[in-house]
Amino acid sequence: AQTVTQSQPEMSVQEAETVTLSCTYDTSESDYYLFWYKQPPSRQMILVIRQEAYKQQNATENRFSVNFQKAAKSFSLKISDSQLGDAAMYFCAYRETSYDKVIFGPGTSLSVIP
Amino acid sequence: DVKVTQSSRYLVKRTGEKVFLECVQDMDHENMFWYRQDPGLGLRLIYFSYDVKMKEKGDIPEGYSVSREKKERFSLILESASTNQTSMYLCASGWDTQYFGPGTRLTVL
Repeated sequence: AQTVTQSQPEMSVQEAETVTLSCTYDTSESDYYLFWYKQPPSRQMILVIRQEAYKQQNATENRFSVNFQKAAKSFSLKISDSQLGDAAMYFCAYRETSYDKVIFGPGTSLSVIP
Repeated sequence: DVKVTQSSRYLVKRTGEKVFLECVQDMDHENMFWYRQDPGLGLRLIYFSYDVKMKEKGDIPEGYSVSREKKERFSLILESASTNQTSMYLCASGWDTQYFGPGTRLTVL
């Protein structure tokens, strides 16, 4: 069965610095999607970034970028120039291309220190 | 913008009550999902639906049922609420990417 692991339950970063959140997953599939979702305190979960496994190029969205290592089954999220509004719970998620279910990791709580 | 709404942000019920949580999306998505979110466990899938009147069990369906009579609406039903169902419930819709509602924090006393 597919699993998603986030080994860092909590992390903190100084404002304007860079932080990397780790995610590993287990699958025997070759084609799938990977996601990072952000859930700010008491606010709605939103998609941060998405990666298709068949694409070798790492996805980027403004200050957010990923390091996708398919062979290592690793999918880390890098946040550059951290801002106070980046403080949130971050979930890594996996979905097979042909299947509806999304598997979520347990989440990493990120604090941003002013 | 995709909009997913949930009927209540906060709900307090008593053990044994029947509870309805409703979710509505405005993007004509075929797929809709119900999750519960608990600290340290992430999101766990309760049920999902890929079309009207179609449903599939997720990872933790026990104690829950669902209803999808219209494409835009997906309801989660707790037939007889129990204290271990106290949790945050999140609805989502979408295929490639899931779009989430604001969540309902349910407390069962």
